[in-house]
Amino acid sequence: DGGITQSPKYLFRKEGQNVTLSCEQNLNHDAMYWYRQDPGQGLRLIYYSQIVNDFQKGDIAEGYSVSREKKESFPLTVTSAQKNPTAFYLCASGPRENTGELFFGEGSRLTVL
Amino acid sequence: GDSVTQMEGPVTLSEEAFLTINCTYTATGYPSLFWYVQYPGEGLQLLLKATKADDKGSNKGFEATYRKETTSFHLEKGSVQVSDSAVYFCALRRQAGTALIFGKGTTLSVSS
Repeated sequence: DGGITQSPKYLFRKEGQNVTLSCEQNLNHDAMYWYRQDPGQGLRLIYYSQIVNDFQKGDIAEGYSVSREKKESFPLTVTSAQKNPTAFYLCASGPRENTGELFFGEGSRLTVL
Repeated sequence: GDSVTQMEGPVTLSEEAFLTINCTYTATGYPSLFWYVQYPGEGLQLLLKATKADDKGSNKGFEATYRKETTSFHLEKGSVQVSDSAVYFCALRRQAGTALIFGKGTTLSVSS
């Protein structure tokens, strides 16, 4: 089935550790996005990529890094520089030249102990 | 900058009640407007969309009309069900190829 797969669904890490969240899509979409969701704050854009080997910072990029080496994959690394990393992270994809919808994965919940 | 403002929740209704969730936006030009729904523990799903003024998006009994004069895109449903309990997000996309900008979400709880 076509879709977006995020892993792991739940992740725990200790303070000071980096962690990488995986996002894979088989929808042949050019554009991919990472959002962070916190209670009462909605979704905030971390990074996005409109094409392989290119990506742009969103509104809250500090403490995060991404790569886009393959069209299907857009991993997000939460570094130790991120002050408050505990959150629900959502990956999405969509056609690059389109005013239509984004397709979302089921999310990854990161908890820092 | 561009932004979306939604009514704060939670909204608590009885089954078969009428639902309105207000959404207003600030944007330059003519953005596309969306409503997404998030069920517990899941990602977001597109509920409906409208790409130009006066367009009405509809799906699963939900409707929203793109009102440029009032910069609004209010979500309505005539008779809610328990299964409609979820978080609803209003969003805009200013132009093709850009990311969606979301409101803070409104939690709807429907009881039988």
